[in-house]
Amino acid sequence: EPEVTQTPSHQVTQMGQEVILRCVPISNHLYFYWYRQILGQKVEFLVSFYNNEISEKSEIFDDQFSVERPDGSNFTLKIRSTKLEDSAMYFCASSVSQEFGSPLHFGNGTRLTVT
Amino acid sequence: SQKIEQNSEALNIQEGKTATLTCNYTNYSPAYLQWYRQDPGRGPVFLLLIRENEKEKRKERLKVTFDTTLKQSLFHITASQPADSATYLCAPTFSGGYNKLIFGAGTRLAVHP
Repeated sequence: EPEVTQTPSHQVTQMGQEVILRCVPISNHLYFYWYRQILGQKVEFLVSFYNNEISEKSEIFDDQFSVERPDGSNFTLKIRSTKLEDSAMYFCASSVSQEFGSPLHFGNGTRLTVT
Repeated sequence: SQKIEQNSEALNIQEGKTATLTCNYTNYSPAYLQWYRQDPGRGPVFLLLIRENEKEKRKERLKVTFDTTLKQSLFHITASQPADSATYLCAPTFSGGYNKLIFGAGTRLAVHP
């Protein structure tokens, strides 16, 4: 069964550094998402992306964050200047449609540790 | 603003019993409600979707109900197995919200042999 893949599985970075988290969504999916989960907390929506632009973003997704689909397969999340509180699991997801209720397919995440 | 509430306490049950998990929401009724399973260190996995005009949905040992009067969805796992142990997340989708899923905090289920 096709799956969403994320790399790296674990990223350690120093505060203030830039990180890029990478995702390869399922090939025929058109809608892409990033979520994050701080340890012990709930899965939180960051951003949705379609047709090379952001559809919706949460309050968490401030100017430090950006997303890009640099080619036909990858979808990236960049954090420009990481803070300690950015430490979390970051999940990429994709869906075939943005129709209400279209299930999201998640990757297994990148664990980001900011020291 | 919308609130989504799931049993915050872990649910411990014996193998073979039925597990029932609750998802309550406030204010507006969602157009759809999805249930996901999350294992430690893994991404959520879609299980079932129920629409606002459906009362019940089944898939193998899983059953979801949706009561818009009570503003509640129940998720049942019958004949539970230790392999069902995981955190279960509900995610309502509200009209006008595209397909942005807002997850509840989840309920951790532990099925003991």
